[in-house]
Amino acid sequence: EAQVTQNPRYLITVTGKKLTVTCSQNMNHEYMSWYRQDPGLGLRQIYYSMNVEVTDKGDVPEGYKVSRKEKRNFPLILESPSPNQTSLYFCASRKTGATGELFFGEGSRLTVL
Amino acid sequence: AQRVTQPEKLLSVFKGAPVELKCNYSYSGSPELFWYVQYSRQRLQLLLRHISRESIKGFTADLNKGETSFHLKKPFAQEEDSAMYYCALSSGSARQLTFGSGTQLTVLP
Repeated sequence: EAQVTQNPRYLITVTGKKLTVTCSQNMNHEYMSWYRQDPGLGLRQIYYSMNVEVTDKGDVPEGYKVSRKEKRNFPLILESPSPNQTSLYFCASRKTGATGELFFGEGSRLTVL
Repeated sequence: AQRVTQPEKLLSVFKGAPVELKCNYSYSGSPELFWYVQYSRQRLQLLLRHISRESIKGFTADLNKGETSFHLKKPFAQEEDSAMYYCALSSGSARQLTFGSGTQLTVLP
């Protein structure tokens, strides 16, 4: 089944403890992106990647890192999580040129204490 | 810079009543607009895009460049339409999507 898979789906951690949220897609999509969803603020883009080894900042990149070593994977790294990074995170992908239609993962709910 | 505004955080209508979810945008270029929907416990998914001018699940949306709006409409709401709806604008050379803050629609029985 064509899909975007995120792990973990739920995580509670403490301030400062590094964590990685993985994202993998099996649709051979070039473009991948991370968003965070917060009440009243909607979806805000954190980072995106147009292809392997090509990443760029979105609207709210502070406190996050990403890498794109392989086409299918786009992990989101929180080197030193803080409580304001408590949020619901979504990974998404699409083919380059396929304007608009993003395929989303199920989301990862992160709580930083 | 591009911006998408959805003025209603919450919207409740009765089953069978018409529903309109508002979306306004600001963008200096030629806009490409979309509606995404997130049903309870499901992934966010594309509902419709203005280019295709189609009706999906009874919903339509017309791009009004004069009013810079892309409101989503359905003449007779159903309970299964209850969901979070996001308006989104595609822009820039990378065709990035900018989302509005979302409207939670509840269709009451």
